Amino acid sequence: GAVVSQHPSWVICKSGTSVKIECRSLDFQATTMFWYRQFPKQSLMLMATSNEGSKATYEQGVEKDKFLINHASLTLSTLTVTSAHPEDSSFYICSAREGSGPYEQYFGPGTRLTVT
Amino acid sequence: QQQVKQSPQSLIVQKGGISIINCAYENTAFDYFPWYQQFPGKGPALLIAIRPDVSEKKEGRFTISFNKSAKQFSLHIMDSQPGDSATYFCAASTGNQFYFGTGTSLTVIP
Repeated sequence: GAVVSQHPSWVICKSGTSVKIECRSLDFQATTMFWYRQFPKQSLMLMATSNEGSKATYEQGVEKDKFLINHASLTLSTLTVTSAHPEDSSFYICSAREGSGPYEQYFGPGTRLTVT
Repeated sequence: QQQVKQSPQSLIVQKGGISIINCAYENTAFDYFPWYQQFPGKGPALLIAIRPDVSEKKEGRFTISFNKSAKQFSLHIMDSQPGDSATYFCAASTGNQFYFGTGTSLTVIP
């Protein structure tokens, strides 16, 4: 099956610093990648959709200058949380859609971000 | 506005029993309905999915029932096992739009 990896799986950073999270599709080409945020015991909240080689489309209420998304290749997308604050602490999950596939999204294992 | 409504929020089932989780939607443009299983600290994993041209799909112990006229679909887990204890999310999709339900925390008691 299609595999999506994320790195790191968890990260602790200090307030005011930036942190980058990588999302890779390991065995397929992902023309579209999605970034989600999930709070404890809650559903997934879509943050943005990115297509390879073009700018990401952000959901309403998501600060594009704070959450920088780069989908530079068909197998890699990155989410950079800039000037992180404790309220940015969350579980971030990426997913990828196979270029030739119909609808399915394949999810990564998630990254736990803690901002101190 | 919640595009996909999911119930119940939590569910406790005895081992060997049937777990049933329900979802409802409004947008008739949705054309793909997956279910995901998520364990704590992990990303969601696709369990089973259905398209609106069929009323039922079964994969092992997992069955999706789909009622297009009622705009409802449900997940049935037969012979529930303690290892099935997880959070389950339904979703509805069209194009790049993917909407998740609020999740159901399932606990299967040995």
